[in-house]
Amino acid sequence: AQKVTQAQTEISVVEKEDVTLDCVYETRDTTYYLFWYKQPPSGELVFLIRRNSFDEQNEISGRYSWNFQKSTSSFNFTITASQVVDSAVYFCALSEANYGGSQGNLIFGKGTKLSVKP
Amino acid sequence: DSGVTQTPKHLITATGQRVTLRCSPRSGDLSVYWYQQSLDQGLQFLIQYYNGEERAKGNILERFSAQQFPDLHSELNLSSLELGDSALYFCASSVTSGSMREQYFGPGTRLTVT
Repeated sequence: AQKVTQAQTEISVVEKEDVTLDCVYETRDTTYYLFWYKQPPSGELVFLIRRNSFDEQNEISGRYSWNFQKSTSSFNFTITASQVVDSAVYFCALSEANYGGSQGNLIFGKGTKLSVKP
Repeated sequence: DSGVTQTPKHLITATGQRVTLRCSPRSGDLSVYWYQQSLDQGLQFLIQYYNGEERAKGNILERFSAQQFPDLHSELNLSSLELGDSALYFCASSVTSGSMREQYFGPGTRLTVT
């Protein structure tokens, strides 16, 4: 069975602090995909990153970075020098391929609510 | 703006009623997914359509149904509504052609059942 666990329900930091959001996943497939989405207070779900199971290279995009470790089934997300605008709920998600190798549905974690205070 | 549109944005209705939520995917995307977000269940996958055909089903109640039309827009029909159906319903779309692509979400329809 596939499962995504985000153990941190809520995190509160002060602006300019670094913060890491944890994500642990379970899957029996050898091919799978991992994602992070952001849900700001306005409610929409914003895509942040996609990672394939066969690509363990870490990624940095501005103040955001992602650490994918297959050995520990983790896909953690770090925000460096956090800002008030980073306040949102962040979801980690897992997807496995379905028909013909195309993308299946997303299995979401419960989300981590990040509050960045000025 | 993700390019996925959903209407209406808000919907308030009474128990026992039936409603239809509409979704237009991004241009070129053949796959449409429906998700439900509620406080107790979190974000849950309901159903997926690909180019007009049902592809996968998740935790979708029998009172709920969906379809994807030839122009690729999709509708989610919710009937015999109960208080517990109050939630935010998202539609997402993706290219789904061979290699994996991310899903882009619409702004959601907030359904309130009174």
